[in-house]
Amino acid sequence: AQSVSQHNHHVILSEAASLELGCNYSYGGTVNLFWYVQYPGQHLQLLLKYFSGDPLVKGIKGFEAEFIKSKFSFNLRKPSVQWSDTAEYFCAVTRGTGANNLFFGTGTRLTVIP
Amino acid sequence: DAMVIQNPRYQVTQFGKPVTLSCSQTLNHNVMYWYQQKSSQAPKLLFHYYDKDFNNEADTPDNFQSRRPNTSFCFLDIRSPGLGDAAMYLCATSRGDRINQPQHFGDGTRLSIL
Repeated sequence: AQSVSQHNHHVILSEAASLELGCNYSYGGTVNLFWYVQYPGQHLQLLLKYFSGDPLVKGIKGFEAEFIKSKFSFNLRKPSVQWSDTAEYFCAVTRGTGANNLFFGTGTRLTVIP
Repeated sequence: DAMVIQNPRYQVTQFGKPVTLSCSQTLNHNVMYWYQQKSSQAPKLLFHYYDKDFNNEADTPDNFQSRRPNTSFCFLDIRSPGLGDAAMYLCATSRGDRINQPQHFGDGTRLSIL
């Protein structure tokens, strides 16, 4: 079945450690890729998005993600995490060029220890 | 600040007793979405409105209905809630339904079924 997979359910890091969260999708054809973040008690917020062009996308708060088409992946990275990055991170996909229906992964909970 | 507001944050209802969840927006966006997120699962799109046009996802149960009386408000009606309908319900809006229009999310309503 077509899906969005986030294999890391819970990641625990110390401050200043580097972060990489995995995201793989199984849709063929044109896809558009997103990372959303949900801080404790807050709503989902867009971190970054990829539609086309440079596969390395930079987002807010020092996050970036790389689209690797051959691997069907869109991993999220940050060189040095902070305690304030503690949150749930969701990868999401829309298919084609028309619809805006988001298909989400199950999320990765990141805990950053001061 | 312009935003997407969901009321209430927490809703408890009895098995089989109809319940309505509310979403309002001050963004003047023409598309409104309802997602269901069960524990440890990905948010799943139930349906969306493009202006007054209702778009139901194929696998959304008939138990779930929606109303959009005007641009600002959208309601999710669950006619006969079952225990399996306990979840977080997320409302989102976007300016259009094209991929370059990001979705803005509310804080969600957590529904419990007794």
